[in-house]
Amino acid sequence: DTGVSQDPRHKITKRGQNVTFRCDPISEHNRLYWYRQTLGQGPEFLTYFQNEAQLEKSRLLSDRFSAERPKGSFSTLEIQRTEQGDSAMYLCASSFGRGSGNTEAFFGQGTRLTVV
Amino acid sequence: AQKVTQAQTEISVVEKEDVTLDCVYETRDTTYYLFWYKQPPSGELVFLIRRNSFDEQNEISGRYSWNFQKSTSSFNFTITASQVVDSAVYFCALSEVFTGNQFYFGTGTSLTVIP
Repeated sequence: DTGVSQDPRHKITKRGQNVTFRCDPISEHNRLYWYRQTLGQGPEFLTYFQNEAQLEKSRLLSDRFSAERPKGSFSTLEIQRTEQGDSAMYLCASSFGRGSGNTEAFFGQGTRLTVV
Repeated sequence: AQKVTQAQTEISVVEKEDVTLDCVYETRDTTYYLFWYKQPPSGELVFLIRRNSFDEQNEISGRYSWNFQKSTSSFNFTITASQVVDSAVYFCALSEVFTGNQFYFGTGTSLTVIP
């Protein structure tokens, strides 16, 4: 399977714990995005990488959230001191972009986080 | 500011009916891309179409067609002869070229096709 893969698919954690999610993009894609989606809403942008550089981060994103993309390949999203409001589906997507312009983004199946 | 509006929250149609999903967008960029994605009950967002702002030609792909009108900032999606497998949530999205490359999504339209 050469699509975007995310791990784990489901995560249940106690409030206050830290969690880390992983995303493996499509190999030739240089851009990687993290989105969050809650029930009945569209995906909400969290952060964006071009290669290993984090170029954009949502102003709505708490300091408890951090993302990395070492070597411009896979990416991790960490949430520290989780809160019940963090419960959501976390989506990763990748695309190929060169200069201006962007191809469509391909999404993974998401990681569903439940904070209890 | 960038914004995508999908005013139809839920639509139900009987199988074989045609249905149009509306999408209205706002952007200050002159160069941008518009997208439609399908999210079936399994949850994965599936790419359907990408259109750039310089190409207002309508597109048809099988039972799917898209109508892009810059004058009204709309990018509507029509499914002809709907089928039960079309039941899903459909999202319209916008990506600007010069002010960032993130994708802005609407809130989605939930389509139910009744057999």
